[in-house]
Amino acid sequence: EVQLEESGGGLVQTGGSLRLSCTASGFTFSAHWMHWVRQAPGKGLVWVSRINRDGMNTPYADSVKGRFTISRDNAKNTLYLQMNSLRAEDTALYYCVRDKYYDTTGSNAFDVWGQGTMVTVAS
Amino acid sequence: EILLTQSPGTLSLSPGERATLSCRASESVSSKSLVWYQQKLGQAPRLLIYGASNRATGIPDRFSGSGSGTDFTLTISRLEPEDFAVYYCQQYGSSPTFGQGTKVEIK
Repeated sequence: EVQLEESGGGLVQTGGSLRLSCTASGFTFSAHWMHWVRQAPGKGLVWVSRINRDGMNTPYADSVKGRFTISRDNAKNTLYLQMNSLRAEDTALYYCVRDKYYDTTGSNAFDVWGQGTMVTVAS
Repeated sequence: EILLTQSPGTLSLSPGERATLSCRASESVSSKSLVWYQQKLGQAPRLLIYGASNRATGIPDRFSGSGSGTDFTLTISRLEPEDFAVYYCQQYGSSPTFGQGTKVEIK
């Protein structure tokens, strides 16, 4: 069964740091781009960052650029998100998401989602 | 950044009725890049439609997507009880963005 399991969330003070992990199973992790998407309580979905298969291309949303770092360890089937200088507005459920490329249409989509890990930033 | 505006914000319908959800982009979006997701309360989102009109694996054929340019539509032909949820459109570009969501609720 294809699965993504996030961990590492919790309560942190403003300005603090946290490292999220996402362990993948049931598929060839190294073959897929991966993303982090977040959702503040009662709000919509916001894309955070993406990483390509070898970890060399890592775009970020403007709201987290310079503070968050996405990385991956293909040998451990694990995706990471290092979050520094956390702010109250970073409070959200953070989803680890698999990217799938459909070669018949030349399309990409987020086809597998974890259950999320909650990050709460308090002053 | 491409902004996506979904309408209506809430759609109140009865089981068996047809649901039509709209997603309008602030600039033209490639049809290859338009995606729809469903999110039920307390659950992670689920992929429904990719490339504007292609159903993802396991998605029933009562779900269909259409549109091009700046205007896209998700249609649920006959609502089943399990379809009452929030639906998000997404443009998959270099910096992906989501619409704010349309809630389909039971009337």
